[in-house]
Amino acid sequence: EPEVTQTPSHQVTQMGQEVILRCVPISNHLYFYWYRQILGQKVEFLVSFYNNEISEKSEIFDDQFSVERPDGSNFTLKIRSTKLEDSAMYFCASSRRDTSGGELFFGEGSRLTVL
Amino acid sequence: DQQVKQNSPSLSVQEGRISILNCDYTNSMFDYFLWYKKYPAEGPTFLISISSIKDKNEDGRFTVFLNKSAKHLSLHIVPSQPGDSAVYFCAASVRHNQGGKLIFGQGTELSVKP
Repeated sequence: EPEVTQTPSHQVTQMGQEVILRCVPISNHLYFYWYRQILGQKVEFLVSFYNNEISEKSEIFDDQFSVERPDGSNFTLKIRSTKLEDSAMYFCASSRRDTSGGELFFGEGSRLTVL
Repeated sequence: DQQVKQNSPSLSVQEGRISILNCDYTNSMFDYFLWYKKYPAEGPTFLISISSIKDKNEDGRFTVFLNKSAKHLSLHIVPSQPGDSAVYFCAASVRHNQGGKLIFGQGTELSVKP
């Protein structure tokens, strides 16, 4: 069964460093997303991406964040200068445009720890 | 932002009995509702969904009920099995406007005891 894959599974970084989280969405999916879950809190929407551009972003997704689909298969989330409060589990998700639109398939997550 | 709320952080049921997980929402624009299941160290896995034009959707042991007037939905699992032990998230979206953006509840941790 096709799945969304994410790397790395866990990254530890120093405050102020740049981090890139990588995702390979399901191959015939057209919408891509990043969500995050801070420990003990709810899963929060960060950004959605379609047709090589951001279609929607949350207030969390400020200028420190960016997304890119560099090569037609990978979908990356970059945090330019990490803060302590960026520590969270980051989930990539994808969906097919012609189905529910709400039925997202999630990866297993990348745990980011900012020290 | 408390547009989707799951007021019970945990629920414990006996194997074979019914599990009922509840979810309330405030945004009347939501027209699509989903339940996701999450095991530790894994991403959320889609379980079942319901459109706002329906009031019930069933898939095997899982049934979701939607009460639009009360802005309330529930997930029934019957019979419950130990493997159902996980965190269950309710989620909602404005399906055709926002490209699948989901608003999640806080989750309810279900424990099914043998």
